[in-house]
Amino acid sequence: GIQVEQSPPDLILQEGANSTLRCNFSDSVNNLQWFHQNPWGQLINLFYIPSGTKQNGRLSATTVATERYSLLYISSSQTTDSGVYFCAVAEYGNKLVFGAGTILRVKS
Amino acid sequence: ETGVTQTPRHLVMGMTNKKSLKCEQHLGHNAMYWYKQSAKKPLELMFVYSLEERVENNSVPSRFSPECPNSSHLFLHLHTLQPEDSALYLCASSQDLRAGVANEKLFFGSGTQLSVL
Repeated sequence: GIQVEQSPPDLILQEGANSTLRCNFSDSVNNLQWFHQNPWGQLINLFYIPSGTKQNGRLSATTVATERYSLLYISSSQTTDSGVYFCAVAEYGNKLVFGAGTILRVKS
Repeated sequence: ETGVTQTPRHLVMGMTNKKSLKCEQHLGHNAMYWYKQSAKKPLELMFVYSLEERVENNSVPSRFSPECPNSSHLFLHLHTLQPEDSALYLCASSQDLRAGVANEKLFFGSGTQLSVL
């Protein structure tokens, strides 16, 4: 099955800093989503982005499908950005497969 | 608030107990899912329902029994669980299933943190 690798596994930022999270996947996909899981367990869908670039406030994401990776950019980080960021991908006709996540801690 | 509500938020049960997890979505979606999230492991898909019909069952032990009475409600009935079943159980929904089990945008509930003693 498809493999999903996220990097870095852990990240500590000072409030106000920028960061880039990466998701690599092993095969062509027709579905890619980024999620944020807050410290209380709630998973929030950030982006549905099988290709191209999207922006939502301080967050943006870019997927280069031909090179099998996606990037999540967080600018001017805030303590509320802390949590785990998951990338999930699906090949055509198959279920979503989640990566192991990136644990982000933003310090004030 | 994602539009997907799960109850209870926390559950502690003994290995001989029978309990049920409940999920309700207010988004008008047609597909609902149960995921299991264990410590230090990626999310695992357990069950998928589309229009109240089960379309995916990922070799889940029979001590987990799902029920989908309508497209807005999903239950997970638990009986004779083991301590290794302790995990966060997440419900999700999406508008529809495309091309089999390829998921559209997923919306998750807050989860039920289950501890089996």
